[in-house]
Amino acid sequence: EIVLTQSPGTLSLSPGERATLSCRASQSVSSSSLAWYQQKPGQAPRLLIYGASSRATGIPDRFSGSGSGTDFTLTISRLEPEDFAVYYCQQYGNSPLTFGGGTKVEIK
Amino acid sequence: EVELLDSGGGLVQPGGSLRLSCAASGFTFSSYAMSWVRQAPGKGLEWVSAIGASGGSTYYADSVKGRFTISRDNSRDTLYLQMNSLRAEDTAVYYCAKDRGVHVSNGFDYWGQGTLVTVSS
Repeated sequence: EIVLTQSPGTLSLSPGERATLSCRASQSVSSSSLAWYQQKPGQAPRLLIYGASSRATGIPDRFSGSGSGTDFTLTISRLEPEDFAVYYCQQYGNSPLTFGGGTKVEIK
Repeated sequence: EVELLDSGGGLVQPGGSLRLSCAASGFTFSSYAMSWVRQAPGKGLEWVSAIGASGGSTYYADSVKGRFTISRDNSRDTLYLQMNSLRAEDTAVYYCAKDRGVHVSNGFDYWGQGTLVTVSS
C-alpha cells in the first residue's frame, strides 16, 4: 500500500499570501497518478488537480500542481477567502487507492 | 449537470447490514468507473471500494474485504454498496464518487453529498 504523508498538518496564512502544500509518497506513484482535493466543512470533496499537474474543469489558475515520483506539491498562488479549507492528496495508480491525512489551510 | 444522490444510511447495530445507493444523472453512467469513499467523524478520507464501468471489475480496501460488496445497475444508473457484519469503526459519512474514466481509477471528478452510517448498540 502506498502511504501518502501531507505536510504541514496546518498552514496559517493571510488572504493574498502564497500557500505551498506537500504530499510525499512511500513509493513512486505510477504515471503521476496523483490528485488533489479541497474539502470545506459539511461538504463533499472537490477535485482540483489530477495527473499531478492538470487542473480540473472550472478550477481557477491560482491553483497549480507539480511533482513526480514520490514528491508532489499543490501551490495556491494568492489565497482568496474561499480557499481556506482542508486539502487532500490521493494516489490512484495502485490499488488500494490511498489518501493523505490532509492539510488544513486556516486564516492567520 | 452531473448529480450523484447518496442514500440508505442510518443507525444500525454491530453485526448488522445496510445497503447504500447512489443515483446518478447528467452523464452516461455506464461509461465511467465508480467508487465509494468514507470519512469517519472528524477524520480524513478513506477509499472503500471501486467498480469498473461495466461492473466486471471490483476492488476493495482490506478493511472491508469480505464484508462489503459493490455493484451497479447500468439500466437504472445506480451504484450500490452492500455492507454486512458492520462494526463500530465503519461509522462514517459514505460518499459515492464518479471516476474520470472507464477503468479504475483516474481520480474522482464528482462526488455525492454523502450519507451517514452509524454503527452502535
